[in-house]
Amino acid sequence: EAQVTQNPRYLITVTGKKLTVTCSQNMNHEYMSWYRQDPGLGLRQIYYSMNVEVTDKGDVPEGYKVSRKEKRNFPLILESPSPNQTSLYFCASSFGGFPSTDTQYFGPGTRLTVL
Amino acid sequence: KNEVEQSPQNLTAQEGEFITINCSYSVGISALHWLQQHPGGGIVSLFMLSSGKKKHGRLIATINIQEKHSSLHITASHPRDSAVYICAAETGANSKLTFGKGITLSVRP
Repeated sequence: EAQVTQNPRYLITVTGKKLTVTCSQNMNHEYMSWYRQDPGLGLRQIYYSMNVEVTDKGDVPEGYKVSRKEKRNFPLILESPSPNQTSLYFCASSFGGFPSTDTQYFGPGTRLTVL
Repeated sequence: KNEVEQSPQNLTAQEGEFITINCSYSVGISALHWLQQHPGGGIVSLFMLSSGKKKHGRLIATINIQEKHSSLHITASHPRDSAVYICAAETGANSKLTFGKGITLSVRP
């Protein structure tokens, strides 16, 4: 089944404890992206990748890192999480190098709470 | 001012009504996306368009590039259409996405 998976789905952690949220797709998609969703602010793009080893900042990249060493995986790394990173995170992918090339497929979301 | 504005913020309709959701943007775009977020939180991509009009089932999306405006129409609305509808502008050489805050649609039986 074609899908985007994220792990973990739920995470409660403490300030400063490094964490990684994984994102994996099995559709051989070139474009992958991370978003966060907050009440009253909507969805905001954190980082995106147009292909392996190609990443770029979205609107809210501060406090996050990403890597794209292989096509299927695009992990989101929080080196030193802070409470303002408490949010609902979505990963998405699409076939071409741009989101408008083809339908974007979204993962189920990861709800992160930083205490 | 947000680069992407959606109106109205909340919308309630009766089953069977024709519904229009609007999206305005203030920047040049390469494409405009419409997304649907179900009450359970899952997000589905509905349309991507850079000109004209697209139709899928009871959903129609239009865009006017000169006026920097897009609309999503739902014909013969049904309670299962109740969701948050989000538009996003794709901009720049690297295709960054900027989102509107979304419209919460509730369709009553």
